[in-house]
Amino acid sequence: DAGVIQSPRHEVTEMGQEVTLRCKPISGHDYLFWYRQTMMRGLELLIYFNNNVPIDDSGMPEDRFSAKMPNASFSNLKIQPSEPRDSAVYFCASSLGAGGLSGELFFGEGSRLTVL
Amino acid sequence: AQRVTQPEKLLSVFKGAPVELKCNYSYSGSPELFWYVQYSRQRLQLLLRHISRESIKGFTADLNKGETSFHLKKPFAQEEDSAMYYCALSGVRAQKLVFGQGTRLTINP
Repeated sequence: DAGVIQSPRHEVTEMGQEVTLRCKPISGHDYLFWYRQTMMRGLELLIYFNNNVPIDDSGMPEDRFSAKMPNASFSNLKIQPSEPRDSAVYFCASSLGAGGLSGELFFGEGSRLTVL
Repeated sequence: AQRVTQPEKLLSVFKGAPVELKCNYSYSGSPELFWYVQYSRQRLQLLLRHISRESIKGFTADLNKGETSFHLKKPFAQEEDSAMYYCALSGVRAQKLVFGQGTRLTINP
């Protein structure tokens, strides 16, 4: 398995544009997480899914952010419209959780977003 | 609510010196604690978890419920330990993993 796959690896866009980040979790994993990494705030949990269903989106900063998981092998995170303060590295992670998070999270390489 | 605090954003020690990365948590239930590490140009990965009570790459971490801490320790630092370290918390019944702000550890030769 190639692990969690994220695309694009780098994205540079202008303020106001729509941004779509994509994630393919490890096959068989039933949890998928989206995190945002910044120098100031570290790793923040944005949203997570269990069996394709969003469980907790309390970390999504604003209505400009949305995430979907249409099937077990794909999820996307959209920002519309994008703003400079959205510049960060966005990580996707998946896990095989069972009765609490005693499983290990496997991370993708991240998508570095720069909004000018 | 779950919260993890890593008070040091940067930590620099000399090779061979002891290392301690601090982590404090806040959680009303029974916690599960983890340390994740991100080496240069590598993915963020699990280093160790408190339930395993194991030593990985010479690192250990003990859960102190009285002090609500889970500090990461290594008696003799090596240059390859330079990395970004994140402490993380999950409750037994909560399925999300909450991370601290991270500590960038630099081992000087």
